[in-house]
Amino acid sequence: AQSVSQHNHHVILSEAASLELGCNYSYGGTVNLFWYVQYPGQHLQLLLKYFSGDPLVKGIKGFEAEFIKSKFSFNLRKPSVQWSDTAEYFCAVMNQFYFGTGTSLTVIP
Amino acid sequence: KAGVTQTPRYLIKTRGQQVTLSCSPISGHRSVSWYQQTPGQGLQFLFEYFSETQRNKGNFPGRFSGRQFSNSRSEMNVSTLELGDSALYLCASSLAGDLYNEQFFGPGTRLTVL
Repeated sequence: AQSVSQHNHHVILSEAASLELGCNYSYGGTVNLFWYVQYPGQHLQLLLKYFSGDPLVKGIKGFEAEFIKSKFSFNLRKPSVQWSDTAEYFCAVMNQFYFGTGTSLTVIP
Repeated sequence: KAGVTQTPRYLIKTRGQQVTLSCSPISGHRSVSWYQQTPGQGLQFLFEYFSETQRNKGNFPGRFSGRQFSNSRSEMNVSTLELGDSALYLCASSLAGDLYNEQFFGPGTRLTVL
């Protein structure tokens, strides 16, 4: 079945640590890939998106993601996290409206 | 510009009842999608409406239905509620009819079924 997998359910990091959240999808066609973030008490909002072109995309707040077609992956990265990055992160394949189950990130000051 | 609004924000119902949730998209947005969010399941897609037509549908039973009005406002109805329907129901709107556009999410309606 087509799906989006986020293998890390809960991640706890100290401030200034590097972050990488995994996202793998199973869909054979062209994909429109998104990362959304949900800060505590706030709406889901877009971090970044990929349709085509440069596989390394940059989003808001210093986040970036790399599309690796051969690995069906779209991992989210940030070189140095801040306490304010504490949130839940969702990967999505939007041409099929598939969202992953989310990764809860806690950053310890 | 006002964001996506959803009413009511909280609902408590009992098994067997039905419920209607409402979503007002951002002005000018013509696509409205609905999702069910539960802990451990993430967001699961219910359906998407564009110009009053259901264009995409997720894998939910027929108890879940929706519609969109000419002003792009949308409603979602769940009949014969079950305990497992307890969840946060999110509505999202986007500008155009393609899937390259960002979806803007509302705050959700928290439904509790007793």
